[in-house]
Amino acid sequence: DQQVKQNSPSLSVQEGRISILNCDYTNSMFDYFLWYKKYPAEGPTFLISISSIKDKNEDGRFTVFLNKSAKHLSLHIVPSQPGDSAVYFCAASGNSGYSTLTFGKGTMLLVSP
Amino acid sequence: KAGVTQTPRYLIKTRGQQVTLSCSPISGHRSVSWYQQTPGQGLQFLFEYFSETQRNKGNFPGRFSGRQFSNSRSEMNVSTLELGDSALYLCASSLGGTGKGNEQFFGPGTRLTVL
Repeated sequence: DQQVKQNSPSLSVQEGRISILNCDYTNSMFDYFLWYKKYPAEGPTFLISISSIKDKNEDGRFTVFLNKSAKHLSLHIVPSQPGDSAVYFCAASGNSGYSTLTFGKGTMLLVSP
Repeated sequence: KAGVTQTPRYLIKTRGQQVTLSCSPISGHRSVSWYQQTPGQGLQFLFEYFSETQRNKGNFPGRFSGRQFSNSRSEMNVSTLELGDSALYLCASSLGGTGKGNEQFFGPGTRLTVL
């Protein structure tokens, strides 16, 4: 049973426009959420995170929104750049003392010039 | 601050052999987690070590094992390799706490090919 779901395997966006990547989770014990970006043949790179006590966190061009009632989060990239083309993973962790990360299967973002 | 390093970067083995992968975490990080990435499956959690003890384990067979040393460096071992073990194996380190303390930083991975 997938506890973290990224339902869009891929997304294509034009340079300069907004990219919106979505993620849904089922486990109500998750209270910390992260986004990672991954290029081929490299390890994932941490992008941005959000605690469940917030509904928005912003870092430069990247903003993550959290809707706890809907168990949904999204990553907005504005403006999108060709260098943003990569696979984006959503991850979640709980607060039970210590916790591993549960990852979604990823969304491949392609930003065209 | 140096990042997470993994060795070797690439490995080719044949079925039935065993393999050991190594991971050096970021200095000060006491938690090391291992993940397997295969096409279409995302990152699947193998196990996590903290202060030389395995704290969490994913749903992988006993052929997959690991350990952590006193300097927080970790090794992962896969015995009796199968074709399906071909994957990118990723190591991640963190402070080992909850919330922000569980922000994991990944190494470049070891690409294992089993022939």
